[in-house]
Amino acid sequence: GQQVMQIPQYQHVQEGEDFTTYCNSSTTLSNIQWYKQRPGGHPVFLIQLVKSGEVKKQKRLTFQFGEAKKNSSLHITATQTTDVGTYFCAGSSSNTGKLIFGQGTTLQVKP
Amino acid sequence: GAGVSQSPSNKVTEKGKDVELRCDPISGHTALYWYRQSLGQGLEFLIYFQGNSAPDKSGLPSDRFSAERTGGSVSTLTIQRTQQEDSAVYLCASSWLEGEKLFFGSGTQLSVL
Repeated sequence: GQQVMQIPQYQHVQEGEDFTTYCNSSTTLSNIQWYKQRPGGHPVFLIQLVKSGEVKKQKRLTFQFGEAKKNSSLHITATQTTDVGTYFCAGSSSNTGKLIFGQGTTLQVKP
Repeated sequence: GAGVSQSPSNKVTEKGKDVELRCDPISGHTALYWYRQSLGQGLEFLIYFQGNSAPDKSGLPSDRFSAERTGGSVSTLTIQRTQQEDSAVYLCASSWLEGEKLFFGSGTQLSVL
């Protein structure tokens, strides 16, 4: 069945350093979504990418969707303590509305 | 309502008992999803509904788990004969259409003693 793998599982950075998490799917995706879950909270939608090779930016966050629509990445420039949390990618194949989440990357930022 | 509402927020039950978890999606959202999250883990897909139909039930862990949705709105997830390994946070989410961005509820923390 469809699988979505995400690496790394954990990342500890010093405040001001950059951070990247990578997402890979076993199947071609119709779209990929990214969510952030703060400790003790529920996942909150960040962005959706639909087009092959698409790049979107939200302030210090840059999201990319691979040319083959099987991988994606989230890059945070100059991390801040407010970036702490777990970042999940989630993808669905074109023939189903089933949205499969990656295992998540937990980001810790040391002030 | 303003957001996705789940009840109860916490449920403690004894092994072997049945539990029913409720999800009230955002009004007008046609798609509804159930996920399970164990402590420090990712989101495990359980089932999703498009309207009242469940096109994909493949994520339900066993036949002790069932879910239904009525009137294209409220959904209930039922776990029969609960086991300790069922302990987790059960998250519900809804979206305008299947495959679009999800709005999550705050979850039900289930503890099976």
